[in-house]
Amino acid sequence: TQLLEQSPQFLSIQEGENLTVYCNSSSVFSSLQWYRQEPGEGPVLLVTVVTGGEVKKLKRLTFQFGDARKDSSLHITAAQPGDTGLYLCAGEETGTASKLTFGTGTRLQVTL
Amino acid sequence: ETGVTQTPRHLVMGMTNKKSLKCEQHLGHNAMYWYKQSAKKPLELMFVYNFKEQTENNSVPSRFSPECPNSSHLFLHLHTLQPEDSALYLCASSQTLYRDGTEAFFGQGTRLTVV
Repeated sequence: TQLLEQSPQFLSIQEGENLTVYCNSSSVFSSLQWYRQEPGEGPVLLVTVVTGGEVKKLKRLTFQFGDARKDSSLHITAAQPGDTGLYLCAGEETGTASKLTFGTGTRLQVTL
Repeated sequence: ETGVTQTPRHLVMGMTNKKSLKCEQHLGHNAMYWYKQSAKKPLELMFVYNFKEQTENNSVPSRFSPECPNSSHLFLHLHTLQPEDSALYLCASSQTLYRDGTEAFFGQGTRLTVV
C-alpha cells in the first residue's frame, strides 16, 4: 500500500482567505475522494474524481485530479469558519478493489 | 435514525478487560468496514466484510476480533489491549465493496482509551 502524502499538515487562516491543499502519491489511483471530518464526527464524503485531469466544483471548493491520476488538489475560495476541519484524501489503487487508502490529513482552522 | 451508528462513543478500559464496540447501519448496505484513526497517522483499514463474510484482515493483531452477524451489524471485540491501541475506531459501510468511487458512510466513531 502506497502512502498518500497531504500538504500542508496544518493550516490556520482568516475568514475570506483562499487556500489549496495537496494530495500526492507515487501510485496511480482508479479514483480519488476527498472527505472532511469535524471534531467528534466521522469523515463525510465531499467529492469523488475518477478521470485524469478532472475538475469538480462544490460551491467554494474546487477539486482537481492530476492528469496521471497520482495526485489531487482541493482549493477553497473565501474560506469560512464552517470550513474548519480535517480534510482527508483517499484513493483506490488500481487493482486493489475494496481497499481505500487514506492520506495523512490536513487540519484546517478558519478564524474570524 | 442516522445512517451509521456506533456505540459507545467513548470507552476507557484496562489492559485486562474485555469489551466490544458496536456498529449498526440503516442504509441497506452490503459492505462494512472497521478503521483505526490514531493521532498523526493516516486512517488504517482493519477489517472488511461483504454480505457478512470477512474479505480482508489487514494484519490486525488477534486481540481485535471482529464479528458480523448480518449485513447491518458489525462488532469489534477487544481483549488484553495495549495502551498504543488507544485511538478513534471508525465503522463505515458502502452499498458494495469499495470500487470505482463507491461512497463510504462513516459512523461517529468510538474514542477508546486503554489504561
